[in-house]
Amino acid sequence: AQSVSQHNHHVILSEAASLELGCNYSYGGTVNLFWYVQYPGQHLQLLLKYFSGDPLVKGIKGFEAEFIKSKFSFNLRKPSVQWSDTAEYFCAVIPSGGSYIPTFGRGTSLIVHP
Amino acid sequence: EPEVTQTPSHQVTQMGQEVILRCVPISNHLYFYWYRQILGQKVEFLVSFYNNEISEKSEIFDDQFSVERPDGSNFTLKIRSTKLEDSAMYFCASSLTGPSGANVLTFGAGSRLTVL
Repeated sequence: AQSVSQHNHHVILSEAASLELGCNYSYGGTVNLFWYVQYPGQHLQLLLKYFSGDPLVKGIKGFEAEFIKSKFSFNLRKPSVQWSDTAEYFCAVIPSGGSYIPTFGRGTSLIVHP
Repeated sequence: EPEVTQTPSHQVTQMGQEVILRCVPISNHLYFYWYRQILGQKVEFLVSFYNNEISEKSEIFDDQFSVERPDGSNFTLKIRSTKLEDSAMYFCASSLTGPSGANVLTFGAGSRLTVL
């Protein structure tokens, strides 16, 4: 079965630092890729998604992610984080042509110090 | 912006008790889901529901679990006899397209279940 790995479980940064959160998946075929974010006390919400086309995807709040097929990766980046980016970040994968159910990673907890 | 709402936000129960978690999906969505996250672990898929029946379920979703859409708006998850290991955050989600397109799920804020 496919799996999604988020190797950074806890990340602590200062404001204005750059962010990169890793996401790797094990499925070998075509995939749809997602990053979701959960701010404290709120629901999981979509940050960005990749279905096809340009492998560099822009999302909300200055986030972007790059799909590198050869590395089975979809890392999330932000050049300069803010205190308000403190949240839990989840990577998810849906393999095309298979189940339509997204498989999630375990999440990365990001704390940004002001 | 339409939301998925979940109640209760937190429930504490004794082992062996029945628990019902409720969700109101987005009104025009057709596919409904339950996921759970045990503290410190992955967000795990439990079950998906479409056209008033279960469409997919994971190995976690055993006979202790059931789902229902009793009135066309609520979508419930019932755990018949809770165990300590059922303690988790339970997320409800809904989506419009399912397998027919790019399946983007909209999630609720979660219901935290604590089994004592």
